[in-house]
Amino acid sequence: EVQLVESGGGLVQPGRSLRLSCVASGFTFDDYAMHWVRQAPGKGLEWVSGISWDSGSTAYADSVKGRFTISRDNAKNSLYLQMNSLRREDTALYYCAKDLEWELLGGVSDIWGQGTLVTVSS
Amino acid sequence: SSELTQDPAVSVALGQTVRITCQGHTLRTYYATWYQQKPRQAPVLVIYGKNNRPSGIPDRFSGSSSGNTASLTITGAQAEDEADYYCNSRDSSGNPPLYVFGTGTKVTVL
Repeated sequence: EVQLVESGGGLVQPGRSLRLSCVASGFTFDDYAMHWVRQAPGKGLEWVSGISWDSGSTAYADSVKGRFTISRDNAKNSLYLQMNSLRREDTALYYCAKDLEWELLGGVSDIWGQGTLVTVSS
Repeated sequence: SSELTQDPAVSVALGQTVRITCQGHTLRTYYATWYQQKPRQAPVLVIYGKNNRPSGIPDRFSGSSSGNTASLTITGAQAEDEADYYCNSRDSSGNPPLYVFGTGTKVTVL
């Protein structure tokens, strides 16, 4: 079964850091680019970051650039999102998503995890 | 960054046809991708590229595009199609690329 399972969410104070993880199974992880997408409570989807199959290309939304870092470990079938200098507006459900392609091109995500909730509050 | 605008909500009678639109400058260059999201569930890919459906997506879902507007059409809407629908596209021709989601449309099946 093709599956993505996120973890690492929780309650964190503004200005602190958090690292999200996503473990993939059921497909050849290092054949595909990956993305993080978030959804604030009651709001729409927001693309956060993407990474190519070999980590050679990474991209970030303006809202997180300079604070968040995406990475992957193909040997562990894992995707990560290091989130620093967190703000209240980063509060959201964070989804890990698999791209159809190996590079960051069309950005089509065919497989999504169930998400991990990040709450930034004092 | 670019924006993709969708109508907040539309309704359709059971078995009838509904068209959901997505407008944005970037759609003149890049295809829209469409996702369906039901309450408390992860998004599901329904249409990508010119008009491609992933395995398992019913053929009542179809996509089209003209100028700066992309459309998702549900022909013969079913009760299970009631959901939020989001368009998505590449934001720019820059490298690395950025991506943007539409504002979302809530579809109610009457």
